[in-house]
Amino acid sequence: EIVLTQSPGTLSLSPGERATLSCRASQSVTSDYLAWYQQKPGQAPRLLIYGASSRATGIPDRFSGSGSGTDFTLTISRLEPEDFAVYYCQQYGSSPPWTFGQGTKVEI
Amino acid sequence: EVQLVDSGGGLVQPGGSLRLSCAASGFTFSSYALSWVRQAPGKGLEWVSAISGSGGSLYYADSVKGRFTISRDNSINTLYLQMSSLRVEDTAVYYCAKGQTAAAGHNRFDYWGQGTLVTVSS
Repeated sequence: EIVLTQSPGTLSLSPGERATLSCRASQSVTSDYLAWYQQKPGQAPRLLIYGASSRATGIPDRFSGSGSGTDFTLTISRLEPEDFAVYYCQQYGSSPPWTFGQGTKVEI
Repeated sequence: EVQLVDSGGGLVQPGGSLRLSCAASGFTFSSYALSWVRQAPGKGLEWVSAISGSGGSLYYADSVKGRFTISRDNSINTLYLQMSSLRVEDTAVYYCAKGQTAAAGHNRFDYWGQGTLVTVSS
């Protein structure tokens, strides 16, 4: 099983600032199969990034993903008020289990 | 417009059973794999089970193997999760989630249901 470790646990920032979230895997993840999700309180998760760096439909270009192997990063270039949420990474390779990181909360 | 509507949650005693449903619309149901993902109160996301588009391939997390059964009825565009021998630690919001291909592997989850709460308590 691939374990994903996200850091930091909580990121305290202000609107307009840059957010950098990390996701580290216990073994190499083919970069095509790493996704990032955003979740707000009381809502289902929303797909932001897939294939490590491709934005999902309708996702603003202030969100970007990068990385390969075992180290991946989600960057939000300039935080908008609606971006304060919890973010999860997920690996979705060929074999189960398809695991999630424990999440990073981006708070004001 | 893709829609996934989860239902069937509720309060059940330890050792009991429950069946969740996910009604889908807005896409060719049989062409896509589907999964169940759960979230315990205040916790992160945990993948639970997946099924291929045809229903011929089934996958389970070790935590639910032998207790939960995933199935789908492609004639009425509905996904199910039959849960038995429920434990307190199964308490969570359960989401159905859609993949991008008929095979269960290599699927990120591009659409999610709204979730249904399962509470296991005496």
